[in-house]
Amino acid sequence: ETGVTQTPRHLVMGMTNKKSLKCEQHLGHNAMYWYKQSAKKPLELMFVYNFKEQTENNSVPSRFSPECPNSSHLFLHLHTLQPEDSALYLCASSPDLNEQFFGPGTRLTVL
Amino acid sequence: AQSVTQPDIHITVSEGASLELRCNYSYGATPYLFWYVQSPGQGLQLLLKYFSGDTLVQGIKGFEAEFKRSQSSFNLRKPSVHWSDAAEYFCAVGADYKLSFGAGTTVTVRA
Repeated sequence: ETGVTQTPRHLVMGMTNKKSLKCEQHLGHNAMYWYKQSAKKPLELMFVYNFKEQTENNSVPSRFSPECPNSSHLFLHLHTLQPEDSALYLCASSPDLNEQFFGPGTRLTVL
Repeated sequence: AQSVTQPDIHITVSEGASLELRCNYSYGATPYLFWYVQSPGQGLQLLLKYFSGDTLVQGIKGFEAEFKRSQSSFNLRKPSVHWSDAAEYFCAVGADYKLSFGAGTTVTVRA
């Protein structure tokens, strides 16, 4: 399998739930990203990992917790989210911290 | 910090007609520039990129873009649109190992 994959593609959760989003890339890239895409707003960069080390946390609330166990996998752990956190969450990877390759996204709905 | 402006929120074009999407950026040095396309429910797909060299770059699906330093622009063009080109298009500028995206332009293709 090639490219960037994300699971699940759709997720509905309550505000008290704990869930995780998974991203996997088989491109041999060393940098991985989480973005939030809300309706009518530009993509918001959330986190950047380079060689498994977090290099960017763009003032993201602590109810979002990223994890990067290796260069091929990236997780976003979610807990006690708010309805305004409902959005499309996109994962991307990059060979050089410039050009980025995106996954299909996870559509998250918080009730 | 870098920023991107896409002045047109929504463009409607007839099938077979030409298309031009505007993008203006703000960055002190020569940036890396990208155009991405997003179909409904999907992630972002790279159409083309500019790093250096020839200011007219060719991309996939018959798209091209021209970098004009004097105007801080990187406009996307296609000579003849197809119904499958209906999507949202994002311009992005890469600098400091991050991408900054414009708010996007939605393209509707009418028969």
